[in-house]
Amino acid sequence: NAGVMQNPRHLVRRRGQEARLRCSPMKGHSHVYWYRQLPEEGLKFMVYLQKENIIDESGMPKERFSAEFPKEGPSILRIQQVVRGDSAAYFCASSEQAFLNTEAFFGQGTRLTVV
Amino acid sequence: KNEVEQSPQNLTAQEGEFITINCSYSVGISALHWLQQHPGGGIVSLFMLSSGKKKHGRLIATINIQEKHSSLHITASHPRDSAVYICAVNQGAQKLVFGQGTRLTINP
Repeated sequence: NAGVMQNPRHLVRRRGQEARLRCSPMKGHSHVYWYRQLPEEGLKFMVYLQKENIIDESGMPKERFSAEFPKEGPSILRIQQVVRGDSAAYFCASSEQAFLNTEAFFGQGTRLTVV
Repeated sequence: KNEVEQSPQNLTAQEGEFITINCSYSVGISALHWLQQHPGGGIVSLFMLSSGKKKHGRLIATINIQEKHSSLHITASHPRDSAVYICAVNQGAQKLVFGQGTRLTINP
């Protein structure tokens, strides 16, 4: 959905570098979700944020991964010291309310390749 | 066992055929979503259902809450319908739980 903007679309990082993925939700949406799609696997929940708050990070790896959604600007998913296993498509979704009988709007995804 | 199971995993059909993709889930849900993903592309929401049936163009989605089952139908299928179709359920307000997806290929 063109309304949720993710950038970059493609990102190549060497092992050990940092990856920063950005997500601008649709206008008026204050709920942001990050999902990861590993090659040949289904989408998996990572983290749910509202403005300035992490609501649920139960799907985030314990180390190297962090997310924020500041008062101003996009939501950022940050992966430190990337490894080959981090190669995946990362999708952001936003909604006007929490996902309770509301439609999900997804971005185009960021495809991270770690070399 | 996954909480959301789709069948079939892969489906190849000829243009014009009627297509059915199934989704079964084992958890309590508030809503079910059908999503479409083209190769290398983003994810598009097709339907959100909490009961009954919805129709949009050649696409029809149904859900049976008692049986914990949903189907996505495509009538008069076309090669441009070739994509991965994903079923996802709302498990509480926080998150969606996804099926593995069904890879649909429509040959001309």
